[in-house]
Amino acid sequence: QKEVEQNSGPLSVPEGAIASLNCTYSDRGSQSFFWYRQYSGKSPELIMFIYSNGDKEDGRFTAQLNKASQYVSLLIRDSQPSDSATYLCAVLESGYSTLTFGKGTMLLVSP
Amino acid sequence: SAVISQKPSRDICQRGTSLTIQCQVDSQVTMMFWYRQQPGQSLTLIATANQGSEATYESGFVIDKFPISRPNLTFSTLTVSNMSPEDSSIYLCSVQGGQGQETQYFGPGTRLLVL
Repeated sequence: QKEVEQNSGPLSVPEGAIASLNCTYSDRGSQSFFWYRQYSGKSPELIMFIYSNGDKEDGRFTAQLNKASQYVSLLIRDSQPSDSATYLCAVLESGYSTLTFGKGTMLLVSP
Repeated sequence: SAVISQKPSRDICQRGTSLTIQCQVDSQVTMMFWYRQQPGQSLTLIATANQGSEATYESGFVIDKFPISRPNLTFSTLTVSNMSPEDSSIYLCSVQGGQGQETQYFGPGTRLLVL
């Protein structure tokens, strides 16, 4: 049974701070990892994907992957109130085309 | 990334009826998926819509309840049959492809309320 775990939150950070969102997964065969942002009442929007160990940066977002620890994280620098949303971690197992989603972490950025 | 549209965007239906949701993509895609997101919950995959063959359903979902069509590489439908209030949910179509071949992109969703 593939599992993707996230803290449900809410994670509250002040504007301008770094928000750190974490995700663990159970299947060691997982190869691809995705972060989606979902605003209330909207559909998920892809933020980043990462395949290799280490960091991947895109603007204010950094995805970090540690396959040995089965851990992937998303850092949001200079957090803005507009970043307030639920962040979904998704994992793709090698050889499969279907994603397994975590339950999501709600992020609240206060002005 | 592909532009995905869904119809209807929302609907209110009576118990026992059926609703067909359409998903249209502006480019040909190999993989299309249907998800359900119940209130306050994460995404649950219903099935993979295969072009030219029967859909592949996940555990807990059956063709009689959720028949799916995929007549070509840009279009799919999901029918929610014999609805009950427990079927009230957001139904999302997604497609695979784009920046990384494995990335999935979601349509705007269909919000269904069953009375």
